[in-house]
Amino acid sequence: TQLLEQSPQFLSIQEGENLTVYCNSSSVFSSLQWYRQEPGEGPVLLVTVVTGGEVKKLKRLTFQFGDARKDSSLHITAAQPGDTGLYLCAGAGTASKLTFGTGTRLQVTL
Amino acid sequence: ETGVTQTPRHLVMGMTNKKSLKCEQHLGHNAMYWYKQSAKKPLELMFVYSLEERVENNSVPSRFSPECPNSSHLFLHLHTLQPEDSALYLCASSQDREKLFFGSGTQLSVL
Repeated sequence: TQLLEQSPQFLSIQEGENLTVYCNSSSVFSSLQWYRQEPGEGPVLLVTVVTGGEVKKLKRLTFQFGDARKDSSLHITAAQPGDTGLYLCAGAGTASKLTFGTGTRLQVTL
Repeated sequence: ETGVTQTPRHLVMGMTNKKSLKCEQHLGHNAMYWYKQSAKKPLELMFVYSLEERVENNSVPSRFSPECPNSSHLFLHLHTLQPEDSALYLCASSQDREKLFFGSGTQLSVL
């Protein structure tokens, strides 16, 4: 069974701070996706990383896929209250089957 | 208009009730999914339908019964549920099993 551990589980920061969320596994994935889920809504895809070592930027969000394709990180610069939500990573294994991580709940306050 | 619509948004049911969750996707995708989201647990895949055929059933109890009458609609029929089945049930769709588009979910409470 492929498992994805995310850390930290919870993070409460003030507006303007930087943060990094981690997604780790002992398994290799063909690709990795990051989703954000706001309260009362379903997850929304933010990005997909495919190549080991790949870095993708989405405005203030920077995503990195580990060289061995077993881990990933999400860095947010100058966090804003609109970044509040549950961040989920999901690794694609055989037959495109997705395994979701345990999630990081982020709260950004004014 | 959202891509994936789920109804109802909230549902409270007794253990002896029968109810159904509905999902409709307007994206022209060829795969649809049911996921269960419980507190402190990763998203759990329940069922996958690809081209209206069930291709995955992840050891889900028979009190959950999916139905996919066409590529745009997906149902989850519920009967004799247990309190531990209380959770957020999310429907999703995708094209060729790639990135998922989720609905807003049905928050289910079983009393």
